[in-house]
Amino acid sequence: AQSVTQLGSHVSVSEGALVLLRCNYSSSVPPYLFWYVQYPNQGLQLLLKYTTGATLVKGINGFEAEFKKSETSFHLTKPSAHMSDAAEYFCAVSDRYGGSQGNLIFGKGTKLSVKP
Amino acid sequence: GAVVSQHPSWVICKSGTSVKIECRSLDFQATTMFWYRQFPKQSLMLMATSNEGSKATYEQGVEKDKFLINHASLTLSTLTVTSAHPEDSSFYICSARDYGGQYFGPGTRLLVL
Repeated sequence: AQSVTQLGSHVSVSEGALVLLRCNYSSSVPPYLFWYVQYPNQGLQLLLKYTTGATLVKGINGFEAEFKKSETSFHLTKPSAHMSDAAEYFCAVSDRYGGSQGNLIFGKGTKLSVKP
Repeated sequence: GAVVSQHPSWVICKSGTSVKIECRSLDFQATTMFWYRQFPKQSLMLMATSNEGSKATYEQGVEKDKFLINHASLTLSTLTVTSAHPEDSSFYICSARDYGGQYFGPGTRLLVL
């Protein structure tokens, strides 16, 4: 069965500092991997996803993540945090079914706080 | 493109009443729709998956008679919380999937008094 582990339920950084949100997954086959962001009282917005090809994936708002199969990781980074990045971030994994995406399995989320 | 709407965004109801939440894919036809529940400071828990015109598949532990899902068309799914109780208070998020990916609605906050 697939699972996702997000290390650290709360990460706090200063504005302008590096953002690193950790995600490790467990899957018997190469999965699809996703990062979503959720602002208070809102739904989820896709930041980026890995399906195949280049292992370094660039997303919106300056975020990127690297798929490392040997480490079963998909950590999310951003070189310089902005106040507007403060939100909840969810890593997710899904199976592949004939090239299509299966159901999403979410991690427990990491709340990112950005200090001025 | 790929916008999912939910209505209402907020609902407060009395215990024992039923509440219907609508989920629409506005600019695409969804092959599958999902309903999630999110408790405060927790992750999304999948409640059920539905395909247009067929019965929803509920996750283990989710009462199908309590949470009625109707998927009438490729762009509309509804979740009805029947005989709501305070423990049903939560944030409900729908999601719609087509061949391009899976997209999430803005969520519905339900408060049962």
